[in-house]
Amino acid sequence: DQQVKQNSPSLSVQEGRISILNCDYTNSMFDYFLWYKKYPAEGPTFLISISSIKDKNEDGRFTVFLNKSAKHLSLHIVPSQPGDSAVYFCAASGYSGGGADGLTFGKGTHLIIQP
Amino acid sequence: DGGITQSPKYLFRKEGQNVTLSCEQNLNHDAMYWYRQDPGQGLRLIYYSQIVNDFQKGDIAEGYSVSREKKESFPLTVTSAQKNPTAFYLCASSIKGITIGQPQHFGDGTRLSIL
Repeated sequence: DQQVKQNSPSLSVQEGRISILNCDYTNSMFDYFLWYKKYPAEGPTFLISISSIKDKNEDGRFTVFLNKSAKHLSLHIVPSQPGDSAVYFCAASGYSGGGADGLTFGKGTHLIIQP
Repeated sequence: DGGITQSPKYLFRKEGQNVTLSCEQNLNHDAMYWYRQDPGQGLRLIYYSQIVNDFQKGDIAEGYSVSREKKESFPLTVTSAQKNPTAFYLCASSIKGITIGQPQHFGDGTRLSIL
């Protein structure tokens, strides 16, 4: 049973436009959420995170939105650039329980930026 | 440069053999993790360790073993009991588990294949 779901395996966006990647979760104990970017044959690179006490976190071109009632978060990339083409993973953790219990990942969304 | 080093990048194993994947970090992180990634799948947690000489099973620990004798090292052994070992293995570390602003950092992975 998937606790973190990324329902779009791929997404194609024109360069300069906004990319919106979505993620849904089912576990109410999750209270810390992260987005990672991954290129083939490399490890994931941390992009941005958000805790459940906030509904928005911004870092440059990247903004993450959290809707706790809907158990939904999204990553916005504005403007999209060719180097943004990669697989994006949503991940979640119940950190406030004191745990370093590892992250639960979605299956990823392959973002393709078209020139 | 501080980081996480996984070696080797590619590893081949014959049926029935055990094989050990190396993971070393010089970030002075307390917690370390092993994940497995299969094609089209997210990362799944195999084992994690919050402190030296202590480790816990993750979601898919069967057929794997680990040790944590030193803070900077967390080797993973894929035993012959692991029925489907072909995968991309990722090691990660973080400061005192998962806290806000202290995400997990990943190595570049080891791809294990069965001959």
